Amino acid sequence: AQSVTQPDIHITVSEGASLELRCNYSYGATPYLFWYVQSPGQGLQLLLKYFSGDTLVQGIKGFEAEFKRSQSSFNLRKPSVHWSDAAEYFCAVAPGYGGSQGNLIFGKGTKLSVKP
Amino acid sequence: ETGVTQTPRHLVMGMTNKKSLKCEQHLGHNAMYWYKQSAKKPLELMFVYNFKEQTENNSVPSRFSPECPNSSHLFLHLHTLQPEDSALYLCASSPGLAGGEGTDTQYFGPGTRLTVL
Repeated sequence: AQSVTQPDIHITVSEGASLELRCNYSYGATPYLFWYVQSPGQGLQLLLKYFSGDTLVQGIKGFEAEFKRSQSSFNLRKPSVHWSDAAEYFCAVAPGYGGSQGNLIFGKGTKLSVKP
Repeated sequence: ETGVTQTPRHLVMGMTNKKSLKCEQHLGHNAMYWYKQSAKKPLELMFVYNFKEQTENNSVPSRFSPECPNSSHLFLHLHTLQPEDSALYLCASSPGLAGGEGTDTQYFGPGTRLTVL
């Protein structure tokens, strides 16, 4: 069965520090991969997505993620965190080309806190 | 701004009440989804509609009844709910369901925070 693991439930970083949020997935083929962000009381906003091609994907708000097939990972990074980045981050996977029925599988999320 | 709106944003209901959640998307998408987000649990897909037809019912109890009158509107009718149904209910839409780059990307609304007393 497909699954997504975000091993860190809560991370605290200082403003201006770099950030890496981890995501590992379990799926037989190369899935479509997504990162979403959720601010308190809000819905999910798409940060970036990977379907194929270049394994380093650029997203909004200065975020990027790298797909590593050998590690079944899709980690999210940002070189310098801003206080407004404090939110919860969700990694998600969907079956790849020809297999998708709109079924996104989400991880449990990583809550990011930013220290001044 | 997501182009997906949900009303109401907050709802408190008793176990014997009947209420409905509404979702509207202004993105011209063909697929719409209901998700449940509970504390400390991953987002759970509840229902999927594509071109107004239900394509997925993820073993959701019958006290939740979806309705999709057209590709832009999705409702979730609630009746005789339980306290454990208290959660954030998120609606999403996507261009389509078929495989292929871009058609699977889902865009979410802000959610309805439901409390069942």
